[in-house]
Amino acid sequence: AQKVTQAQTEISVVEKEDVTLDCVYETRDTTYYLFWYKQPPSGELVFLIRRNSFDEQNEISGRYSWNFQKSTSSFNFTITASQVVDSAVYFCALIRLYSSASKIIFGSGTRLSIRP
Amino acid sequence: EAGVAQSPRYKIIEKRQSVAFWCNPISGHATLYWYQQILGQGPKLLIQFQNNGVVDDSQLPKDRFSAERLKGVDSTLKIQPAKLEDSAVYLCASSSPRGSPGEQFFGPGTRLTVL
Repeated sequence: AQKVTQAQTEISVVEKEDVTLDCVYETRDTTYYLFWYKQPPSGELVFLIRRNSFDEQNEISGRYSWNFQKSTSSFNFTITASQVVDSAVYFCALIRLYSSASKIIFGSGTRLSIRP
Repeated sequence: EAGVAQSPRYKIIEKRQSVAFWCNPISGHATLYWYQQILGQGPKLLIQFQNNGVVDDSQLPKDRFSAERLKGVDSTLKIQPAKLEDSAVYLCASSSPRGSPGEQFFGPGTRLTVL
């Protein structure tokens, strides 16, 4: 079974604080991708990052960083020095890949509120 | 490059009525997806098209939901008759085989309220 769990339903922090969003996944596939998407109030899902199952290197992009640990099936997302514009719902997703198609399995999302 | 277009953005209907949503994917994207996102949940795939053929519709409630992509470009999702539990945001996404694996581009969604 494929499953993505985001245990944190809502997080609220004050601007400039660091915040980590947790993601735990389950899969029997050996080849898969993990994604993070941002959904601002406008509703559109915005791609943030993709990580494949063979690459456990952490990644940093500006204030964003991702920690992929296969041993614990986790793909956590940290925002450093948070800003009000970071307020959104964040989804972790697992993608099974077969032939030319892909099927995304989303977690239930974490609503992040950054207070000024 | 224009993004994925969806219309209408909002729709309010009464239960047992019918409703249709339209999606125009990014030009050249062969794969089109319809997702249902219920409030407080992640999007759930309803149906996936590859050109004008259905790849996966395992989670589409076929007794009331239908979708078509006749010319392999834009697509229509219909609900007939609607139930209260169909209230959700319906997201359309598209992808290209030349794109990064698994990368999908999402439209703004149609928010459906069934009264």
